[in-house]
Amino acid sequence: QKEVEQNSGPLSVPEGAIASLNCTYSDRGSQSFFWYRQYSGKSPELIMFIYSNGDKEDGRFTAQLNKASQYVSLLIRDSQPSDSATYLCAVKGFGSNFGNEKLTFGTGTRLTIIP
Amino acid sequence: EAGVVQSPRYKIIEKKQPVAFWCNPISGHNTLYWYLQNLGQGPELLIRYENEEAVDDSQLPKDRFSAERLKGVDSTLKIQPAELGDSAVYLCASSGGTGRGYEQYFGPGTRLTVT
Repeated sequence: QKEVEQNSGPLSVPEGAIASLNCTYSDRGSQSFFWYRQYSGKSPELIMFIYSNGDKEDGRFTAQLNKASQYVSLLIRDSQPSDSATYLCAVKGFGSNFGNEKLTFGTGTRLTIIP
Repeated sequence: EAGVVQSPRYKIIEKKQPVAFWCNPISGHNTLYWYLQNLGQGPELLIRYENEEAVDDSQLPKDRFSAERLKGVDSTLKIQPAELGDSAVYLCASSGGTGRGYEQYFGPGTRLTVT
């Protein structure tokens, strides 16, 4: 079982609709969760992070975390063509021990917003 | 605030040749990471530094890879000799600390092609 799993896509969403990206993780001790956006040929860009169960909203982005289900998601409202990119889910353990500090990434979901 | 700086952005070398990558983290960030990203995959950690100390190098192939961060700021990652399978993007990231509340920010990366 992969440590962090994402549907590789591609996920196609009409412009203006809600894009929903999902991620599951295997380590119940994981404490910190991140979403990075990566445009083709570019490096990952941090767009959201969440540490507690529930929802966290930032502009058009909402991150949702359910630790009991080991599930984290990213919702993008009013999707724009500029949101077309690969979205990487990343998970980190607890504390500063070297093993728990490691950021483990999924393979990413490729999102395409259709005008 | 300036972001993580990396150079070179692109490098093409023949197999068995040495290569080095340079990284300057965000000012004030004591924690520095080197990641490797293969096409279609998420980044994978190679090594993490806390100031000058390499606190997690468990994923670094030590037979050919080496890294240093002599003064706790800039870092260099070296491969000698390079192999065809080393072709990838090498990403440097930094954070203000470790543990919850500290996010990692990536540089633009160095795309290495080994022929």
